[in-house]
This record gives sequence, structure tokens and C-alpha cells, in this order.
Amino acid sequence: AQSVAQPEDQVNVAEGNPLTVKCTYSVSGNPYLFWYVQYPNRGLQFLLKYITGDNLVKGSYGFEAEFNKSQTSFHLKKPSALVSDSALYFCAVRGSGSARQLTFGSGTQLTVLP
Amino acid sequence: GAVVSQHPSRVICKSGTSVKIECRSLDFQATTMFWYRQFPKQSLMLMATSNEGSKATYEQGVEKDKFLINHASLTLSTLTVTSAHPEDSSFYICSGGFTDTQYFGPGTRLTVL
Repeated sequence: AQSVAQPEDQVNVAEGNPLTVKCTYSVSGNPYLFWYVQYPNRGLQFLLKYITGDNLVKGSYGFEAEFNKSQTSFHLKKPSALVSDSALYFCAVRGSGSARQLTFGSGTQLTVLP
Repeated sequence: GAVVSQHPSRVICKSGTSVKIECRSLDFQATTMFWYRQFPKQSLMLMATSNEGSKATYEQGVEKDKFLINHASLTLSTLTVTSAHPEDSSFYICSGGFTDTQYFGPGTRLTVL
């Protein structure tokens, strides 16, 4: 079985400061890892993914994430947070097999303070 | 990225009625789509996998006779909540994808009175 843990329900950062949203995973075989963002009453928007290749993945809106196989982590980062980044962030994983359904973490509410 | 639409975005219905939610892939073909349910301030719970031209696969604990799924074409999957009850009130989200990435619809807020 695959699982995702987002240990922080809430992350607060000041505008202009770097932000990190944490994610660890468990999956059989090679992981396919994803970050999505959700604004209130909206669906999920794709931010970035790691399938293979460089451990540092760059995505939309200046976000990036680092895949760390030994720590089974895929933390989301941004060098300088914006107030508009305030939203709910989900980490998701699936295995490299044929099944494509994702398993989501519980979500982290990011609040960027002006 | 690919675009997935859902209709309606919001629906209010009376208890005992049925509600149909449409999920369309606008710029790609999706042989498989997924239906999720999300409660306030919670994560997404996979309800079922919708397969074009065949029966849907339901997750454990999801009543297939209550949540009817039809995937009649490569761009359209529908979820019908039959005999809706207040406890079915929730945010329903679909997704479809190609290559390795799933793209999500904007969601449908269902309120059953």
C-alpha cells in the first residue's frame, strides 16, 4: 500500500521569506510524486512532479521540490513567498505500475503574511 | 497543462432526488478518469475509477448503486448521486490525465437539503 504524510496542518511564513511544505511518502517500487495546490472552493492545480531524473524539480509559480530517496521525502519549496501563495497544498504519490490513481496527503494550509 | 471541466459547479437538491455531475476532458482523451470526494478541510478520498467503455471500479466502502458512474466517451464521465441524502453533501472532484499526470476539474459543491 502507498501512503503520504504531510506532518504540518498549517505553515505560516512572512511575505518575502522562503517557504517549505513537508512531505514524506511510502510506496512500492519507484515513486511518482506530485504537488498540487487548491484555492477555496476550487479543484486542484498541478504544480510539479518527479518521475525520474534530477532530484530538484522546478514547477509552476516559482515552486520547486527536492526528491530525497534515502529520506523518502519530497518537500515543496519557494525562495520568496507571496501573499497570493496562501492556499492548501497537497502532496500525492503513486507507484510506477499500471495503476494511475493517486494517494494524497492530508494537506497543508499555507498562509503567507504580508 | 490539460484542462478538465465539471458541470455544474454548484448544485442544491432535495433529499431523495438524483443529481448528475459531468466531467469533461477538453483537450485530451481520457480512457480513465477518477472521482474523488472531499470534506471540508480534509484531503481527497478516491471514490471510483471510471473506465471508458466498461464498468467503473469502486473503492471499498463506496456504494456503486448509489454513486453511478458512466464513461461513455473518451472525453466524458458522469457521476450520478442517486436518492441523495444530506450526508452526501460534499465537494466532488474528478480528474483525468495522460502521460504521468492527473489534471483535476474545478469541483462540484453538492448540498442536499
